[in-house]
Amino acid sequence: DAKTTQPPSMDCAEGRAANLPCNHSTISGNEYVYWYRQIHSQGPQYIIHGLKNNETNEMASLIITEDRKSSTLILPHATLRDTAVYYCIAYNSGGSNYKLTFGKGTLLTVNP
Amino acid sequence: GAVVSQHPSWVICKSGTSVKIECRSLDFQATTMFWYRQFPKQSLMLMATSNEGSKATYEQGVEKDKFLINHASLTLSTLTVTSAHPEDSSFYICSASRPLGSGRAFSTDTQYFGPGTRLTVL
Repeated sequence: DAKTTQPPSMDCAEGRAANLPCNHSTISGNEYVYWYRQIHSQGPQYIIHGLKNNETNEMASLIITEDRKSSTLILPHATLRDTAVYYCIAYNSGGSNYKLTFGKGTLLTVNP
Repeated sequence: GAVVSQHPSWVICKSGTSVKIECRSLDFQATTMFWYRQFPKQSLMLMATSNEGSKATYEQGVEKDKFLINHASLTLSTLTVTSAHPEDSSFYICSASRPLGSGRAFSTDTQYFGPGTRLTVL
């Protein structure tokens, strides 16, 4: 399984961009980089995923390095409601790593 | 799109009773549904994977006779905790897998999660 490494916690000022890093140096060629977040006492929320190219949606942007060994999730204008644990997961439902394995994630605290 | 609901959102029951939790994909048909459990200050742990019309696949250490899973349709899966005990108190979360779609070199299904069910066994 491709294991991911994330910092345990980060702080961000409200209105600023939050950049959350993730290392996945052993990711295999068919594994996507997925990002989820979990706000306290709620189920995880899907944010974004990508394979090679950078991706953007209404929630965030995902920047994947050319060698695919690391990625960065960008929340362009963080709000207090973005305070959550963010999980980076290497995953492909049809691959050998077909299970979503949640690590400890990064606790992002957005401060006023 | 991709909304998953769970019912109930919380339940309190007496030790020895059984509790059923429903998971529904509201706006898509799920190829696969998953059940997770989360204890306080811990991460989600996969309990079982189920496909419509077939038996669930349980993770190592999860008792299949205690956690009964029924996947009756492409939009509904249920988890029944039988003879619940206080150590079964936890946050139970389901997810439903939605196909990515065609047209890509690699494809993968994306899991969408329900809001969770807080079970407290007295």
